[in-house]
Amino acid sequence: GAVVSQHPSWVICKSGTSVKIECRSLDFQATTMFWYRQFPKQSLMLMATSNEGSKATYEQGVEKDKFLINHASLTLSTLTVTSAHPEDSSFYICSARGVGQDRTQPQHFGDGTRLSIL
Amino acid sequence: AQKITQTQPGMFVQEKEAVTLDCTYDTSDQSYGLFWYKQPSSGEMIFLIYQGSYDEQNATEGRYSLNFQKARKSANLVISASQLGDSAMYFCAMRGPLGFNKFYFGSGTKLNVKP
Repeated sequence: GAVVSQHPSWVICKSGTSVKIECRSLDFQATTMFWYRQFPKQSLMLMATSNEGSKATYEQGVEKDKFLINHASLTLSTLTVTSAHPEDSSFYICSARGVGQDRTQPQHFGDGTRLSIL
Repeated sequence: AQKITQTQPGMFVQEKEAVTLDCTYDTSDQSYGLFWYKQPSSGEMIFLIYQGSYDEQNATEGRYSLNFQKARKSANLVISASQLGDSAMYFCAMRGPLGFNKFYFGSGTKLNVKP
């Protein structure tokens, strides 16, 4: 089945640091990748949609200069949290949609990244 | 706009019994898809079952079945013969119309299976 790998799974860093999270589709080409944020005991909140070779589309209220998204290839998208602060601490999870995937198929999720900013 | 509602923040079920997790949705689209995901405490999202808006029969996948009532706009997940490993968060999600990739997630239901 389709596999999405997300790295790192857990990161702790100091306030002011920029953190990069990678999302890779391992056995399929992903035309579209999605980035979600999830606070404890809450649902997934879509942050942005990234399409290979074009600029990401951000959801309302999400700071594009804060959360930089790059989708340089059909198998890799990255989310960079710039100058992270404690309020950016959260669980970030990506998902991917494959080339030619029909509408009955689910999004394939990575295992998520727990980000803790001290 | 699409909206997904899960009204049960938490549910308890005895091991080996069946449980129904509720999901209602609101959309003006005629074509849409409904999905259920399981999220254990480790965080990964596990796809469970899919129901298309034009599917005439309720979807089933092993111990999971979907009670789809289109007129009521509900898509409840039924888990039969609950197991301890079923304890997790469960999210209902809806995909928009053709060509629109976004998923809209409900707030989730925390299921606890008691031994």
